[in-house]
Amino acid sequence: DTEVTQTPKHLVMGMTNKKSLKCEQHMGHRAMYWYKQKAKKPPELMFVYSYEKLSINESVPSRFSPECPNSSLLNLHLHALQPEDSALYLCASSRGDRGDEKLFFGSGTQLSVL
Amino acid sequence: AQTVTQSQPEMSVQEAETVTLSCTYDTSESNYYLFWYKQPPSRQMILVIRQEAYKQQNATENRFSVNFQKAAKSFSLKISDSQLGDTAMYFCAFMKGFGNEKLTFGTGTRLTIIP
Repeated sequence: DTEVTQTPKHLVMGMTNKKSLKCEQHMGHRAMYWYKQKAKKPPELMFVYSYEKLSINESVPSRFSPECPNSSLLNLHLHALQPEDSALYLCASSRGDRGDEKLFFGSGTQLSVL
Repeated sequence: AQTVTQSQPEMSVQEAETVTLSCTYDTSESNYYLFWYKQPPSRQMILVIRQEAYKQQNATENRFSVNFQKAAKSFSLKISDSQLGDTAMYFCAFMKGFGNEKLTFGTGTRLTIIP
């Protein structure tokens, strides 16, 4: 199994809603990532979890709250988002060993904030 | 901070021909990795090829190969015998250190393979 699975594939939410994005992998990877990709732009890193601990936060607003309940699962909790937060949210994972840096990406969640 | 520059926003080539995508980067790091990822219309990022900076030998993966010029900080991707399935956005990317770090992407090159 070499897949990173993201759900839902599409999400429409209002600015007062609370929703969550889910990412799952069963490759035994110990590092997981959230990236945000606006239309016609490259992905931008949001968070990195290494061995279930948050290791990098790229100064992301607190309305985005990551969670890593176990080594296979990564969530992104969304609250009070703005229309400019509409984007494709990509999850990725890697083995987590130093010297093995290949990232495997999911297909993303396309988020629209109304 | 690291920067990655792709100077070709769009390219097109006939099927079965060879095409080269350009990438330059800027860093003061001595240990780093370079990657090419493709993003087809499905929008999933797929790793095409990677290069360790400490290796002088250029990486190859089937029809894909790179020309890594460390002193010039250049990392181009050559696609031989191009196929319709190669149509995608191609991103050059940089990661410092030894892993679990930030992957910095260039702005991308949209490649279209013409039948």
